[in-house]
Amino acid sequence: ETGVTQTPRHLVMGMTNKKSLKCEQHLGHNAMYWYKQSAKKPLELMFVYNFKEQTENNSVPSRFSPECPNSSHLFLHLHTLQPEDSALYLCASSSGLAGVTPYNEQFFGPGTRLTVL
Amino acid sequence: RKEVEQDPGPFNVPEGATVAFNCTYSNSASQSFFWYRQDCRKEPKLLMSVYSSGNEDGRFTAQLNRASQYISLLIRDSKLSDSATYLCVVNLGYQLIWGAGTKLIIKP
Repeated sequence: ETGVTQTPRHLVMGMTNKKSLKCEQHLGHNAMYWYKQSAKKPLELMFVYNFKEQTENNSVPSRFSPECPNSSHLFLHLHTLQPEDSALYLCASSSGLAGVTPYNEQFFGPGTRLTVL
Repeated sequence: RKEVEQDPGPFNVPEGATVAFNCTYSNSASQSFFWYRQDCRKEPKLLMSVYSSGNEDGRFTAQLNRASQYISLLIRDSKLSDSATYLCVVNLGYQLIWGAGTKLIIKP
């Protein structure tokens, strides 16, 4: 079991719904991430938070809205999604900022499998 | 050319065999490298970090060839439990770039 939990594990929503994904890390890490994983494609980094401050937003559509109230919790608010947004959404955390410090391991949560109808 | 390229596979390998696959990267300034494994419908987990020339951990050996810009993962005496998708990650010093993964299936 990792120290990163995500809820819900599965979510089916219509294009007009509003829902939120939740991530919590129990590892004392300072950095948290949202990734999107579609079949047979590389992980796509969506958002990065370091010490609760957003440090990266990779041109993600505004229908995805992140929130990081503290270093342990991360949310992804969803509204008016499109069917092509259906994917596995993974949350991760690391002690230092991955991609900056050389060997910082990212710990992933189990993901939320999202289906947009 | 993709920044990080991996053969998607699947590699079908009999149990006990040795298997190796590569990951090529395009940015010569890449600083460090990782191999993650992802089991079916699970999250990625770190397998190995790759240092200056390579790293070994039990049956797993990762090697880095900076001149040709690739890293390799070698698995010896493969087990059924090694069946997974292996993701290559390149650290550019300001961001991580993920490959799409190589699927490995170990057959009894």
